[in-house]
Amino acid sequence: QQQVKQSPQSLIVQKGGISIINCAYENTAFDYFPWYQQFPGKGPALLIAIRPDVSEKKEGRFTISFNKSAKQFSLHIMDSQPGDSATYFCAASSYNQGGKLIFGQGTELSVKP
Amino acid sequence: ETGVTQTPRHLVMGMTNKKSLKCEQHLGHNAMYWYKQSAKKPLELMFVYSLEERVENNSVPSRFSPECPNSSHLFLHLHTLQPEDSALYLCASSPGTSGTGGEQFFGPGTRLTVL
Repeated sequence: QQQVKQSPQSLIVQKGGISIINCAYENTAFDYFPWYQQFPGKGPALLIAIRPDVSEKKEGRFTISFNKSAKQFSLHIMDSQPGDSATYFCAASSYNQGGKLIFGQGTELSVKP
Repeated sequence: ETGVTQTPRHLVMGMTNKKSLKCEQHLGHNAMYWYKQSAKKPLELMFVYSLEERVENNSVPSRFSPECPNSSHLFLHLHTLQPEDSALYLCASSPGTSGTGGEQFFGPGTRLTVL
C-alpha cells in the first residue's frame, strides 16, 4: 500500500513533442505529490508538486494532472527540449503518517533533436 | 547547487574496509536523510534525523551506521560491506522536522563501489 508505481521506465520523445509520465498509488492518506528531476551526476531536484485539493498545476512547460478518484497523477512536459533529458521520479507522502517520501521507480526521458 | 554537499563523490572499497560518507547542508534545515539509489529501483530511505535525533531506521543492515553530530552534518559509516551495497548514496535535508514532509533538497551523491 506504500508503493508508488511509475510508468514508463523509459521514454523517447522528439523535440517539441509532449512527454507524459504516469504514477499510481494506493494509500489514500497521501496528501503531497512531488515530481523530482535528476540529471546524470546530480541528485534529484524538486520540479513541481501538487496537493490533492486541485486537479492540475502548471509551471511553465511542466504540468501535473491529478485524479484523486483514480489515485493517479501524471507529469506532462510540453514542447519537450533536449535539455529536459533526465530521469524523473514521482513521489508521495502523508503528513499524518510521518511525511516520509515514497518514490516511484523513475523514468528515463530522452528528447531527440 | 542545492546547498547540500557530499564527500567523497566516488568511493571504491573492499569488503573488509571501513570508510565514511559525509554530508553537509548549508540551508539551516532541521531534518537530514540518507537514501540508497540503485539502478531501475525507487530511492530507498535508509535513515532520518530530525533535530539531530534519529527518527527512522528502515531495517538497514548494521554494516551501515549513521551519525549526526549537529544539524548541519550527517555521516554514514561503512564497514564489511557486500558487493550488492554498490549504489549511489544520496543525502537530503528538509526545512521542517521529518514528520512535516514537504520538499527535500538532495546532494549530488556518493557513487560507492564495493569490490
